[in-house]
Amino acid sequence: DSGVTQTPKHLITATGQRVTLRCSPRSGDLSVYWYQQSLDQGLQFLIQYYNGEERAKGNILERFSAQQFPDLHSELNLSSLELGDSALYFCASSVGKGNGETQYFGPGTRLLVL
Amino acid sequence: AQSVTQPDIHITVSEGASLELRCNYSYGATPYLFWYVQSPGQGLQLLLKYFSGDTLVQGIKGFEAEFKRSQSSFNLRKPSVHWSDAAEYFCAVGVGADKLIFGTGTRLQVFP
Repeated sequence: DSGVTQTPKHLITATGQRVTLRCSPRSGDLSVYWYQQSLDQGLQFLIQYYNGEERAKGNILERFSAQQFPDLHSELNLSSLELGDSALYFCASSVGKGNGETQYFGPGTRLLVL
Repeated sequence: AQSVTQPDIHITVSEGASLELRCNYSYGATPYLFWYVQSPGQGLQLLLKYFSGDTLVQGIKGFEAEFKRSQSSFNLRKPSVHWSDAAEYFCAVGVGADKLIFGTGTRLQVFP
C-alpha cells in the first residue's frame, strides 16, 4: 500500500459525459501527478500540481482539467468523453516539487467510456 | 526528445532462473532512472532508482539494476526469479524537475 488513495476504482460512463476522479496523496506529500495508461499510448504524464499550484503539464487534452485543493487532495476532471479516453488513470504523489523524487502511485481508476 | 525503450515486450522464464530486463533511454543530461513493477489490477510500485553515485543499485525483492552511461542503459536483473515476480515492469526516466517518461513495459511470465 503506497498511501495514495484514488476513487472511484472503476467508472463506466457514456460518450459526451463528464467525470471526476479523485486522489488523496500520501500524508505530507505536496506534489500530485496524474498519468494515463492506455493500450495504444502506454503510460503518459498528464499534469503535476505542487501545493495547490500547477507545476508541469504533459500530454493533457483541453477537455481535461485538474486542480489541487488546500487539503492537498486533487481531482481530475474529464469532459466531453470519447471512446478513446477509456484508460487507467493513475495519481502519484511526492514529497516536494519533483526533481527526481520518488513518486508513489495509487491503485488507479479504470475508466470505461461506452 | 527524451524517450525510454524497453525492447522486450514479453519475457518468459522458469522459476529459479536468472532474469535481465533491458532498458535504454535517450536524455541529454544525467538522468534520474527508475524501475517500477505493476501487478495485475494494481498500481505501480517502485523497485529501485538511480540518481548518482554507485552505478549498481539495489532494490526491493532482490532486484538490482546497473546504470551504464556509455550504453544509455539501465537494465534490471534478478539472480533467481520467483513465481510471484510475474508482472509488468516499467523503466522510467525523470525529466527536468517533474515528470516521468515511461517505457512501454515488459511483461514477465514465470513458469514453475
